[in-house]
Amino acid sequence: GQQVMQIPQYQHVQEGEDFTTYCNSSTTLSNIQWYKQRPGGHPVFLIQLVKSGEVKKQKRLTFQFGEAKKNSSLHITATQTTDVGTYFCAGRPNDYKLSFGAGTTVTVRA
Amino acid sequence: GAGVSQSPSNKVTEKGKDVELRCDPISGHTALYWYRQSLGQGLEFLIYFQGNSAPDKSGLPSDRFSAERTGGSVSTLTIQRTQQEDSAVYLCASSAMGSQYFGPGTRLTVL
Repeated sequence: GQQVMQIPQYQHVQEGEDFTTYCNSSTTLSNIQWYKQRPGGHPVFLIQLVKSGEVKKQKRLTFQFGEAKKNSSLHITATQTTDVGTYFCAGRPNDYKLSFGAGTTVTVRA
Repeated sequence: GAGVSQSPSNKVTEKGKDVELRCDPISGHTALYWYRQSLGQGLEFLIYFQGNSAPDKSGLPSDRFSAERTGGSVSTLTIQRTQQEDSAVYLCASSAMGSQYFGPGTRLTVL
């Protein structure tokens, strides 16, 4: 069964607004990764978080790894049309193979 | 340096036929994954190769699916007696330092 859960499945955002997508695991993760898949494209690696409570920023994207290393979030500020796509988190339980969440598909209203 | 390549990019086949999908990973990457992605869906893990270890085949949906990785490099995913429900994009990813690099995928359509 799926070990990494992602919510929401769909996110409809007004251009300029902020939103957050969440990733949760029932087991402790050695690290968490985030990927973005544009419509018609393939997943592209965005970032990896390793340390408990780690926060990393990429321009308008803020990634956070929970203190217990069981959850993560991606927050996007001032959403733009270029942010459209599906965002996947992927966690590695017990240093084993990467387990992907189902993804959050983001659409933007101009 | 080249990224992960996959061939063919598109494959249309008739129900019952066998197909072979190829993945050329990034040189030096020891880990290789195959995923399946149906339209609008997430990534379904199929199989995982790590170095010379026995592959993790836990995601293969049936015994019609098999994969090989020769010489620790190129991998082939074979689907025998294809069914319509096998239609999807098959993605390959290779990895060296944790992050995965995906190929463009093979879109398989079973008529």
